[in-house]
Amino acid sequence: QKEVEQDPGPLSVPEGAIVSLNCTYSNSAFQYFMWYRQYSRKGPELLMYTYSSGNKEDGRFTAQVDKSSKYISLFIRDSQPSDSATYLCAMSKNGNKLVFGAGTILRVKS
Amino acid sequence: GAGVSQTPSNKVTEKGKYVELRCDPISGHTALYWYRQSLGQGPEFLIYFQGTGAADDSGLPNDRFFAVRPEGSVSTLKIQRTERGDSAVYLCASSYQLGQLANTGELFFGEGSRLTVL
Repeated sequence: QKEVEQDPGPLSVPEGAIVSLNCTYSNSAFQYFMWYRQYSRKGPELLMYTYSSGNKEDGRFTAQVDKSSKYISLFIRDSQPSDSATYLCAMSKNGNKLVFGAGTILRVKS
Repeated sequence: GAGVSQTPSNKVTEKGKYVELRCDPISGHTALYWYRQSLGQGPEFLIYFQGTGAADDSGLPNDRFFAVRPEGSVSTLKIQRTERGDSAVYLCASSYQLGQLANTGELFFGEGSRLTVL
């Protein structure tokens, strides 16, 4: 079993929809949680960062971490075609090494 | 340069050959990381450097893989006796310092070197 599980999708939604992306993990030592976005043939870029449990909001994006359930989520409001990409959850125990999920492919149709 | 630069962007080689992949991190970043991303998977950690020394090389799959950073800036990932299973995108990332992830969660990734072993 992988340390971080993420549904690969693809997830296809109409423009303007609310998107929910999720990851589960098995190692309770993870304390730093991130969402990265990766466009085709590009490197990942950071979207959201959360330390420990809680919520964080940045514009149309909201990240949630529930350490008791070992479950993290990313919500995208008013989704746009430009949001079409692969979304990677990532987490770290000590802030030095990231463990990534497999990534969820998101397609937003106009 | 403004971002992390990786060369070559694409490399096709034959099984058994030797390959070098180069990474030029963001100027002033002391921490440098190598990840490998296979098709349909997330990046998988290989090694990271603080300055010239490898702080953690636990992700290198076997002794055919080796990485150096002799002057604390540019790094080279070296793969000997390549196998078809080595085909992947090799991503390099940098951060201001080791442990910066704990402050910002951010690694700055290059666009990767796509290695194909025939």
